[in-house]
Amino acid sequence: AQSVAQPEDQVNVAEGNPLTVKCTYSVSGNPYLFWYVQYPNRGLQFLLKYITGDNLVKGSYGFEAEFNKSQTSFHLKKPSALVSDSALYFCAVGWINKFYFGSGTKLNVKP
Amino acid sequence: DTEVTQTPKHLVMGMTNKKSLKCEQHMGHRAMYWYKQKAKKPPELMFVYSYEKLSINESVPSRFSPECPNSSLLNLHLHALQPEDSALYLCASSQVDMGLAGRNEQFFGPGTRLTVL
Repeated sequence: AQSVAQPEDQVNVAEGNPLTVKCTYSVSGNPYLFWYVQYPNRGLQFLLKYITGDNLVKGSYGFEAEFNKSQTSFHLKKPSALVSDSALYFCAVGWINKFYFGSGTKLNVKP
Repeated sequence: DTEVTQTPKHLVMGMTNKKSLKCEQHMGHRAMYWYKQKAKKPPELMFVYSYEKLSINESVPSRFSPECPNSSLLNLHLHALQPEDSALYLCASSQVDMGLAGRNEQFFGPGTRLTVL
């Protein structure tokens, strides 16, 4: 069965510091991996995806993610956090016509 | 146009009412989805339409009835809902490549906040 795990319910970081939001996955076959962000009372917004190719994927708003096949991880990173990055982040894996979402990580960036 | 629109934004209904949620996209996406999301939880997949045909029903109770009238529109008909059905209902769409929608990012609408009294 396909699954995604986000081990941290919440991540706290100071503005200007680097941030990492963790994600590990389990999937049959090639992984199609995604990160989404959700602000309160809004739909999910796509940040970036890994399909194939370079293990470091760059996305919207300065976010990037590193695909690590041996560790089955796809951690989201940003070199310098902004207060406006505070939101709920979901990792997801696509499989055939479905998407499996992680439980979500709430990112708090403090001034 | 990279937007998925959903109407209404908010809906309050009694347990005996019949109502419908609407979703529209004009990106030419051939996969469309309904999700239910509770507060601070991940979206739960309800239905998937691929090329206007229902391809996945995640064992959703029959009081929820999806409809895909054409490639741009997706409806969710609601009847005899329960208070526990109160949630944010999200519509999403994505491209289909080589028969697979799971390779492509989903575009989400802003959702309909449903309250069942």
